[in-house]
Amino acid sequence: QKEVEQNSGPLSVPEGAIASLNCTYSDRGSQSFFWYRQYSGKSPELIMSIYSNGDKEDGRFTAQLNKASQYVSLLIRDSQPSDSATYLCAPWSSGNTGKLIFGQGTTLQVKP
Amino acid sequence: NAGVMQNPRHLVRRRGQEARLRCSPVKGHSHVYWYRQLPEEGLKFMVYLQKENIIDESGMPKERFSAEFPKEGPSILRIQQVVRGDSAAYFCASSPPSVLVPFFGQGTRLTVV
Repeated sequence: QKEVEQNSGPLSVPEGAIASLNCTYSDRGSQSFFWYRQYSGKSPELIMSIYSNGDKEDGRFTAQLNKASQYVSLLIRDSQPSDSATYLCAPWSSGNTGKLIFGQGTTLQVKP
Repeated sequence: NAGVMQNPRHLVRRRGQEARLRCSPVKGHSHVYWYRQLPEEGLKFMVYLQKENIIDESGMPKERFSAEFPKEGPSILRIQQVVRGDSAAYFCASSPPSVLVPFFGQGTRLTVV
């Protein structure tokens, strides 16, 4: 089992729709969870972090965490073509020397 | 994040040469991470360093690769006797000691010809 699993996609949604990106992880000791966005040919950029079960909203982005199910998701409301990118999920565990292990990433395509 | 500076941005090496990739972390960040991204693949952890210490090198290939983060100066990722399979984007990230959330530099694209 991979440490972090994401559907590679591409996930295609029309402009204005809600995009739902999912991630499962294997380390039950994971305490914090991060979502990075990576445009083609660019470096990853941190867009969301979540530490507790439930939802966390930031603008059009909502991160959802369910530690019992070892599941974290990212919702993007009112998707825009500029949201087209690869989204990387990364759990963090203090027991893992503090490094981030990234999922494969989900490629999102928002069509005008 | 513009604060993490990597150079060079692009590096071309012939097979068998050495590649040196440099990373200057954000001022005040004492933690540095190196990741490799092969074409169409995800980010793979290579090594995690603090000043003068290697904390975790579990992702480093056993041979030809080394990394350091000296007391003064940038972190260096060194690849000896490069092969075509080393062609990739190498990203450096840094974080402060209190918040272990890495911010990435723009990366070095290594091409081995």
